[in-house]
Amino acid sequence: KAGVTQTPRYLIKTRGQQVTLSCSPISGHRSVSWYQQTPGQGLQFLFEYFSETQRNKGNFPGRFSGRQFSNSRSEMNVSTLELGDSALYLCASSLAGIPNEKLFFGSGTQLSVL
Amino acid sequence: DQQVKQNSPSLSVQEGRISILNCDYTNSMFDYFLWYKKYPAEGPTFLISISSIKDKNEDGRFTVFLNKSAKHLSLHIVPSQPGDSAVYFCAASAEGAQKLVFGQGTRLTINP
Repeated sequence: KAGVTQTPRYLIKTRGQQVTLSCSPISGHRSVSWYQQTPGQGLQFLFEYFSETQRNKGNFPGRFSGRQFSNSRSEMNVSTLELGDSALYLCASSLAGIPNEKLFFGSGTQLSVL
Repeated sequence: DQQVKQNSPSLSVQEGRISILNCDYTNSMFDYFLWYKKYPAEGPTFLISISSIKDKNEDGRFTVFLNKSAKHLSLHIVPSQPGDSAVYFCAASAEGAQKLVFGQGTRLTINP
């Protein structure tokens, strides 16, 4: 069974641009979560989608948005990029997204904002 | 407000010895705790978990201890092996919250 796939692996953007990141979950998994990892901050929860609906959202500005498609694939969008958005963005999938369920993470997209 | 804290950014242990990674939390609503391990250029992988109704859970070389009164958990690895060198994240969740709250991570280095 293929794991969680994130594309692209690396991205370089400039301030003010927007970016879209993609995540394909493990086949059969219907919940997709996004996390931002920065040095010293650990992983910060962005949002979680289940059956195309956002069920939970972290404390990030509205510039961060996402969506989920009917095949459970998910995209995350960041508009008006700022230098502080430079981070590793991780996507995780699970069967149903219940709290005690194991998350399976992708390798992440490393975003650099110049 | 960091609800889950790993106060040691790094830890160095000799191969064969015990590695102890610590994690503190502030939210008394957390009822499930997990440890994830992350190698460079890879996503975190699940290692071990513990429910708040238990105080210890063991899986091979890995044992997690939970002290609810102190709001503290620890991960013990014994014996430590070079392949254990990685960043370890503790995480917590509360019933009804479909999200994990992670600590900042501790980089463990096992020296031969």
